[in-house]
Amino acid sequence: NAGVTQTPKFQVLKTGQSMTLQCAQDMNHNSMYWYRQDPGMGLRLIYYSASEGTTDKGEVPNGYNVSRLNKREFSLRLESAAPSQTSVYFCASSERDRPQPQHFGDGTRLSIL
Amino acid sequence: QKEVEQDPGPLSVPEGAIVSLNCTYSNSAFQYFMWYRQYSRKGPELLMYTYSSGNKEDGRFTAQVDKSSKYISLFIRDSQPSDSATYLCATTGRGGNEKLTFGTGTRLTIIP
Repeated sequence: NAGVTQTPKFQVLKTGQSMTLQCAQDMNHNSMYWYRQDPGMGLRLIYYSASEGTTDKGEVPNGYNVSRLNKREFSLRLESAAPSQTSVYFCASSERDRPQPQHFGDGTRLSIL
Repeated sequence: QKEVEQDPGPLSVPEGAIVSLNCTYSNSAFQYFMWYRQYSRKGPELLMYTYSSGNKEDGRFTAQVDKSSKYISLFIRDSQPSDSATYLCATTGRGGNEKLTFGTGTRLTIIP
């Protein structure tokens, strides 16, 4: 039972490079989320997808794009990476119909030089 | 002002002590309350999930919600070194697609 799987686990990029972070869940959840976690800032929502085919901005969407490829997969893309995007990125999923806890992956540690 | 405030710690206590972790929130629409535990280099994992005011107990863990004062607590009894982690509180409203609002987390170390 894998839960939420994120790839890659670590990545170093140069400023201006692009990258896609992958996330897949096997719990048949409708809703999926992308967060970033920075020291002293907690978890901040970047984008979320309430269901397949829909995406919405969260608290800090600038510089990111997302794709809900199907019910299982939700990717996060950095088109032109900046040092301010150095962070740990977490993907999460939850059931849709009522306020439910979210289940998290183990994160992607991204450094932008 | 953040919607959820949490003392970042760090908090160090000896093994076997009772630990009290706390959060305050400002939005009276918040109805569901959660505590997550996050080990180093891992994702947050759900520890406790409660609805509205009252207590919920699960083994050595007790979650307490006081909606009148907008205060949520997590108590850990007989603390163990394996409890050393960062603890995040989270809350959300009643709607079906309400997003979670997280505290910044408290780093806890249990000293053997």
